Amino acid sequence: GAGVSQSPRYKVAKRGQDVALRCDPISGHVSLFWYQQALGQGPEFLTYFQNEAQLDKSGLPSDRFFAERPEGSVSTLKIQRTQQEDSAVYLCASSSPRGGGTDTQYFGPGTRLTVL
Amino acid sequence: DQQVKQNSPSLSVQEGRISILNCDYTNSMFDYFLWYKKYPAEGPTFLISISSIKDKNEDGRFTVFLNKSAKHLSLHIVPSQPGDSAVYFCAAIPQGGSEKLVFGKGTKLTVNP
Repeated sequence: GAGVSQSPRYKVAKRGQDVALRCDPISGHVSLFWYQQALGQGPEFLTYFQNEAQLDKSGLPSDRFFAERPEGSVSTLKIQRTQQEDSAVYLCASSSPRGGGTDTQYFGPGTRLTVL
Repeated sequence: DQQVKQNSPSLSVQEGRISILNCDYTNSMFDYFLWYKKYPAEGPTFLISISSIKDKNEDGRFTVFLNKSAKHLSLHIVPSQPGDSAVYFCAAIPQGGSEKLVFGKGTKLTVNP
């Protein structure tokens, strides 16, 4: 498969549970992004990695949200003590720097998280 | 505060006619703009982009126009096809920084056969 994959596709959690969402970027892509899309809204930026370095985490809504990409490939977004307001689709995107210019971000299908 | 605004939640057009989707932005530091298309249960798919140094970019049936003075861009689809029915997101990238995308809320386009 050449695209970005995410797992699980659907996750139901009870309020207070911890969840981990996985993203497999396109092979060789250096940059990886996480976005949160609430119902009826556009995706909102959460965090950005270049290889294993987390260069921007300004969009993480609270310290309950944590992302990592330890080997510069697969990334995991972890949400601790989930709350109902965390219910959303979590999208992962990857891109590859071409040197100069702006690189297209390729999105995965997302993980729909529902917190009961 | 929404920096990228898509004021029309939905648009319906007849097959073969032109679809025009609009987007306004407030941040003059945006220097690159993109349109993404999204089908249900799928991630957004890149459609077309434009740099702030241009005012038009064309790719097949899709053309994006940028009016910097008005902080407005539009996506034209000619001719529209039923397979174009999807949610279209306008997005912008600010100068410098992480190339994070700032999205509008989207416009749902329905092309009727």
